[in-house]
Amino acid sequence: NAGVMQNPRHLVRRRGQEARLRCSPMKGHSHVYWYRQLPEEGLKFMVYLQKENIIDESGMPKERFSAEFPKEGPSILRIQQVVRGDSAAYFCASSPEGLGKLFFGSGTQLSVL
Amino acid sequence: GESVGLHLPTLSVQEGDNSIINCAYSNSASDYFIWYKQESGKGPQFIIDIRSNMDKRQGQRVTVLLNKTVKHLSLQIAATQPGDSAVYFCAEVLLGGSEKLVFGKGTKLTVNP
Repeated sequence: NAGVMQNPRHLVRRRGQEARLRCSPMKGHSHVYWYRQLPEEGLKFMVYLQKENIIDESGMPKERFSAEFPKEGPSILRIQQVVRGDSAAYFCASSPEGLGKLFFGSGTQLSVL
Repeated sequence: GESVGLHLPTLSVQEGDNSIINCAYSNSASDYFIWYKQESGKGPQFIIDIRSNMDKRQGQRVTVLLNKTVKHLSLQIAATQPGDSAVYFCAEVLLGGSEKLVFGKGTKLTVNP
């Protein structure tokens, strides 16, 4: 049973480009969470999705950021017109029930030049 | 509490010693708490959890203590090994809404051989 899969592992973008981060949850998990982590800091909640629905996006900036979790396929975190401040590690986590214990992927390290 | 950009607290121990990592959480209504371990370049890994109706829970070489009066969690690691070197985060689940995990600041544990 594969764990949470994130790709790409590393993503380099120039300012103004778009970044797309993908997350495939564990098999049987229909709840996906995205977190962001800066060096030497904790993980900050961004968004919580269930299949085809955004449940809580209170931690996601209103502009340039969007997330989806379609009926088929991985969850996508999309950052438009990236800026240097978007450079961070982005972690996806999944759970079977949407409460409590989350299983994390290895993250995508986004670097904006 | 959440990280506010300060350097991570650090704890350095000798191999074989016991380690105690502390965490102050923010919301007295939180119902569920989890300790995660994060090794360099990896996603957080579940260690142990505890519900608010308990004050102690033991796992293999790890014990979590919960003091709701002062909103304090601790993680005790017995006979610490070099492989335990990592950053340790406590996380709390806030009741209501999406019940998302909120992470604390983290403590960097270094085990010296």
